[in-house]
Amino acid sequence: GAGVSQSPRYKVAKRGQDVALRCDPISGHVSLFWYQQALGQGPEFLTYFQNEAQLDKSGLPSDRFFAERPEGSVSTLKIQRTQQEDSAVYLCASSLVGVSTDTQYFGPGTRLTVL
Amino acid sequence: AQKVTQAQTEISVVEKEDVTLDCVYETRDTTYYLFWYKQPPSGELVFLIRRNSFDEQNEISGRYSWNFQKSTSSFNFTITASQVVDSAVYFCALIIYGNNRLAFGKGNQVVVIP
Repeated sequence: GAGVSQSPRYKVAKRGQDVALRCDPISGHVSLFWYQQALGQGPEFLTYFQNEAQLDKSGLPSDRFFAERPEGSVSTLKIQRTQQEDSAVYLCASSLVGVSTDTQYFGPGTRLTVL
Repeated sequence: AQKVTQAQTEISVVEKEDVTLDCVYETRDTTYYLFWYKQPPSGELVFLIRRNSFDEQNEISGRYSWNFQKSTSSFNFTITASQVVDSAVYFCALIIYGNNRLAFGKGNQVVVIP
């Protein structure tokens, strides 16, 4: 079946612009996660949804970052007034149920470059 | 807090050689899960294996094998008879029971030379 998909795959933004990154999880998956991966580093957790509820947003680096999943399926990560330090790959993952031990399956990521 | 250390940043091997990737983790929790993911140049993280803290049996899957030792807090990964398609970044990750965030190491870049 289809895996996690993300769009766009690449995004270039001028500093100060707002961006929106989309994630389509695997159909039927309850949990959805966002991670940020800086160049040469491992992914860092940003936020977690169970259905439409955002249960953990402690990893969001600033109030410029906002995520939503209004219908419990597709999710959007929005970054307002982008800064150069926001340049990274943003990875989305989903898992079947809402338990921590469930395997997270990742999408291909969106590479954001802020000029 | 949990931490995962992958000390080797880049490893180059000639095709058909074996390569072992070291992963050392830190946690005070007794119930946790360990993972390995592969990240090819396309960027997608591909799930390879999950192991819980109560299961120290080693596992083999084709050319891949994993050695989990709680006594040394290590979860090492070996690729036997490496192939060019194995060239990728490999990440070790840890999740604590009751938590939902994966803690990743910095990854091992494996380059297999034909």
